[in-house]
Amino acid sequence: GAGVSQSPSNKVTEKGKDVELRCDPISGHTALYWYRQSLGQGLEFLIYFQGNSAPDKSGLPSDRFSAERTGGSVSTLTIQRTQQEDSAVYLCASTDSLGSYNEQFFGPGTRLTVL
Amino acid sequence: AQTVTQSQPEMSVQEAETVTLSCTYDTSENNYYLFWYKQPPSRQMILVIRQEAYKQQNATENRFSVNFQKAAKSFSLKISDSQLGDTAMYFCAFMKMPGNTPLVFGKGTRLSVIA
Repeated sequence: GAGVSQSPSNKVTEKGKDVELRCDPISGHTALYWYRQSLGQGLEFLIYFQGNSAPDKSGLPSDRFSAERTGGSVSTLTIQRTQQEDSAVYLCASTDSLGSYNEQFFGPGTRLTVL
Repeated sequence: AQTVTQSQPEMSVQEAETVTLSCTYDTSENNYYLFWYKQPPSRQMILVIRQEAYKQQNATENRFSVNFQKAAKSFSLKISDSQLGDTAMYFCAFMKMPGNTPLVFGKGTRLSVIA
């Protein structure tokens, strides 16, 4: 596609429910990142996928958070038993890995509100 | 671990004037990348400018330039001839070398350009 897309754009859920957030990276990009942007905060790294390698999960805040990337393309971030502190904008970025540095292209994010 | 600090939560500037946004960082790495990202109300993160730490020359992109002081671990962004479209959140970010690793962001500076 022309850019990174994310869905839904906004999600409102009740505390305790599970949610799934989707990211469609730019076609051909091998690396995919998830970040969380809480109110008044910068972006916080959550998880990173690079090709077929095991993902770097070092940023996931708890075991309620998980992510997968099927077929090396689309990624889904799942938050189980949502809490109010999970309310944030979740941003996805993708990049190719052809050189020593490649720009991360961001999607428009999903705003999650947990009531 | 790396940290990025932006000490100015909010700034304003008159249209056509010049404004400087501050950023300091902490790292034990010798080689790395530094970035300024712009996030307008659409939430789309847009790369403004990039600096490689091994380069002494400050990066410039049209009206945007940086003052990179490696010893002081300072990386400020200067916006010349400010335009209304520059109104946005600006984030300073750090990436270890080699690239293609997660970005570490500051908390951002909200810039308002006033007509």
